[in-house]
Amino acid sequence: DVKVTQSSRYLVKRTGEKVFLECVQDMDHENMFWYRQDPGLGLRLIYFSYDVKMKEKGDIPEGYSVSREKKERFSLILESASTNQTSMYLCSGASGSNEQFFGPGTRLTVL
Amino acid sequence: DQQVKQNSPSLSVQEGRISILNCDYTNSMFDYFLWYKKYPAEGPTFLISISSIKDKNEDGRFTVFLNKSAKHLSLHIVPSQPGDSAVYFCAAPLSGSARQLTFGSGTQLTVLP
Repeated sequence: DVKVTQSSRYLVKRTGEKVFLECVQDMDHENMFWYRQDPGLGLRLIYFSYDVKMKEKGDIPEGYSVSREKKERFSLILESASTNQTSMYLCSGASGSNEQFFGPGTRLTVL
Repeated sequence: DQQVKQNSPSLSVQEGRISILNCDYTNSMFDYFLWYKKYPAEGPTFLISISSIKDKNEDGRFTVFLNKSAKHLSLHIVPSQPGDSAVYFCAAPLSGSARQLTFGSGTQLTVLP
């Protein structure tokens, strides 16, 4: 079974904190993605990576950075968390087909 | 600008009846579409897809219809069950090798017992 896991299901942070969200996949996906989901806005792409150490900005990269040091791991970093980054964060992986496989999500609350 | 649009944010249907979820797209180059289903506090899961060489694809209670001339697709669920209550997203692959998808804004389906 395809497995994409995310380090935390729920996270509460304070404004200004540096936040790390980890995503690990075990399906040898070349491509990995970070989205945020907000009501009425669907899934918006933050960053994606098509290979180790390679990254591309998505539609809403401001305030975020990413790291992909190993093929199986894709990290999303909030350099200085703000309240408008309170959201559901979803990681996914994809390789040979059009289908993406998602992790369970991290519900981040920034106070 | 959104290339895939779901104009109905919510839909309620009675158990046993048909649910029809709609999706419109603007890019005539799209040749493949996917539907994902998402429960609260879970990641989206793939439901069904359709290639532009077909106008219908069926999988059990789920059928997706594609009308290329109208740039419209719809997901039919028959019969609807309370466990179908979820947010449904339609998506289309963007060109390029990174397997990037563009998603609609989602429709919250509620199936009433």
